[in-house]
Amino acid sequence: NAGVTQTPKFQVLKTGQSMTLQCAQDMNHEYMSWYRQDPGMGLRLIHYSVGAGITDQGEVPNGYNVSRSTTEDFPLRLLSAAPSQTSVYFCASRQGLTYYEQYFGPGTRLTVT
Amino acid sequence: AQSVTQLDSQVPVFEEAPVELRCNYSSSVSVYLFWYVQYPNQGLQLLLKYLSGSTLVKGINGFEAEFNKSQTSFHLRKPSVHISDTAEYFCAVKENFGNEKLTFGTGTRLTIIP
Repeated sequence: NAGVTQTPKFQVLKTGQSMTLQCAQDMNHEYMSWYRQDPGMGLRLIHYSVGAGITDQGEVPNGYNVSRSTTEDFPLRLLSAAPSQTSVYFCASRQGLTYYEQYFGPGTRLTVT
Repeated sequence: AQSVTQLDSQVPVFEEAPVELRCNYSSSVSVYLFWYVQYPNQGLQLLLKYLSGSTLVKGINGFEAEFNKSQTSFHLRKPSVHISDTAEYFCAVKENFGNEKLTFGTGTRLTIIP
């Protein structure tokens, strides 16, 4: 199993550009989440999904869109990048309602200039 | 709403010495508690979790943590650290019922001094 994979590893965007961060898992997990990690702030939940076709907002959803058309994939879209979105983004998945261990991907380091 | 406080942003410890990383939480309902470790340039990995039952929880790599409900704490301990334990450690809390939100502390950077 590859676990949780994320692409790209690094990305530099100009303000106003759009892009999609990819996340995939091969563990057949129901739950998937996106977090951002900023210095001195820990990880904050952006969006999450409890199954294909179901998504919900987390703590810091503004400026990001998600969709979940398959169990395996959970892409995160930045529609118009802003310098405040410079961060490290982590995707995570977990098995289901009673399994609380989250498996994290290796992260995407995004810089918006 | 739940919150997590990790009082120490950095903890230097000599190799083979014991260490305690402190975590306090706040919540109006029952919670699940977690410790994650992040090695440089990697994602987070679960060290241990408390869901219910025994308040002393043992995890991977020789770490353990004790849930103290009266003091709302979940401190992480290891009796003898190694160079390979150098990493950032995050405490996290999730309400037993409700949404998916896992709230993380700001992290403690553990540095092992040879």
